[in-house]
Amino acid sequence: NAGVTQTPKFQVLKTGQSMTLQCAQDMNHNSMYWYRQDPGMGLRLIYYSASEGTTDKGEVPNGYNVSRLNKREFSLRLESAAPSQTSVYFCASRDGTASDTFGSGTRLTVV
Amino acid sequence: GEDVEQSLFLSVREGDSSVINCTYTDSSSTYLYWYKQEPGAGLQLLTYIFSNMDMKQDQRLTVLLNKKDKHLSLRIADTQTGDSAIYFCGAQSSASKIIFGSGTRLSIRP
Repeated sequence: NAGVTQTPKFQVLKTGQSMTLQCAQDMNHNSMYWYRQDPGMGLRLIYYSASEGTTDKGEVPNGYNVSRLNKREFSLRLESAAPSQTSVYFCASRDGTASDTFGSGTRLTVV
Repeated sequence: GEDVEQSLFLSVREGDSSVINCTYTDSSSTYLYWYKQEPGAGLQLLTYIFSNMDMKQDQRLTVLLNKKDKHLSLRIADTQTGDSAIYFCGAQSSASKIIFGSGTRLSIRP
């Protein structure tokens, strides 16, 4: 009964490096989301995928790309990391009753 | 644009009731949520209320919705030390996304 699994849990990158954050859910949810959480700013939506094969920009998409690989997996890619992308990243998925299930987060530091 | 606002901090004495307030701007929001986040963890759904309801009770939790004023509150009865956390209000926007507030940090005094 894993729910939403995110990897890695922690990551330190140098400015300009790239990386992909992985997210997988085993609840057969159609919708998946990537958020970032910054102190005093709550959660902000980066990208979302309403269903397999579709992706849409959220509130803060610049500097990120996503891939909805299949129904289970939704990855977030930073092509050239910047210090402003230091944050905690959360993946979530949603069922038909519109309640999000969150992963435990990825703490990313860009130096 | 859509916005959700809540106060940043609340301190209550153990055993008292906690009331966390939230306002939102999107009158078309169909679901409104309360999530709890403990240190180092993701968000955990506490409860949600559909927009055609004005109250929902679940054990120690009571959610009140004033749709006219776009005001949502979460009351925690008999607050315990385990209730210390950040509480996020969320409103489902018309595009099936949830807009979250900045979170209210609840601290419990002995």
